[in-house]
Amino acid sequence: GDSVTQMEGPVTLSEEAFLTINCTYTATGYPSLFWYVQYPGEGLQLLLKATKADDKGSNKGFEATYRKETTSFHLEKGSVQVSDSAVYFCALSDSKSTFGDGTTLTVKP
Amino acid sequence: GAVVSQHPSWVICKSGTSVKIECRSLDFQATTMFWYRQFPKQSLMLMATSNEGSKATYEQGVEKDKFLINHASLTLSTLTVTSAHPEDSSFYICSARDTGTSGTYEQYFGPGTRLTVT
Repeated sequence: GDSVTQMEGPVTLSEEAFLTINCTYTATGYPSLFWYVQYPGEGLQLLLKATKADDKGSNKGFEATYRKETTSFHLEKGSVQVSDSAVYFCALSDSKSTFGDGTTLTVKP
Repeated sequence: GAVVSQHPSWVICKSGTSVKIECRSLDFQATTMFWYRQFPKQSLMLMATSNEGSKATYEQGVEKDKFLINHASLTLSTLTVTSAHPEDSSFYICSARDTGTSGTYEQYFGPGTRLTVT
């Protein structure tokens, strides 16, 4: 079946540091790929998405590129802020969604 | 656009009682809605897929008689936790797929419902 493997956390960075959260997947078809962010006590918010190979999703300074050859969708941001502290989930979706385990990011001033 | 609401946002109930959680798509129609459960510091676990006008499809290990799902319209799905016990305490999240944007498989998530069973 489909699966998503995310870089284990927690990840702690200083403000303005570079962020990478690795995500790889296995899927039988051609799924869409997503990154979601969850702030404490809240539901999930879509951060960015890519629907086919080589697509780059971007939003709020975050980027991820759908790499079919490496089955990856790594999340990057060039300069993190304290407000980026949250849990990030990588997910793939075809008929239903499969989520990674989540990576907790803490950004310190 | 693409807003999904859940009600209530939190609920406390006594062991043995039933609790109903509503999930609504506010500005789009959703043929398919999903119900997830999330334990503290863990990922989302898909419980069931709810299809408008038909029976829900439950994931393996989820008791269909305990977690009753009804998807009576294109904008509303309900999850009823019957005879709740403390181990049912969790964060329940629903999501809805916009019927009008098929092909992207994008889901829109509700804000979640915190259930505490005492």
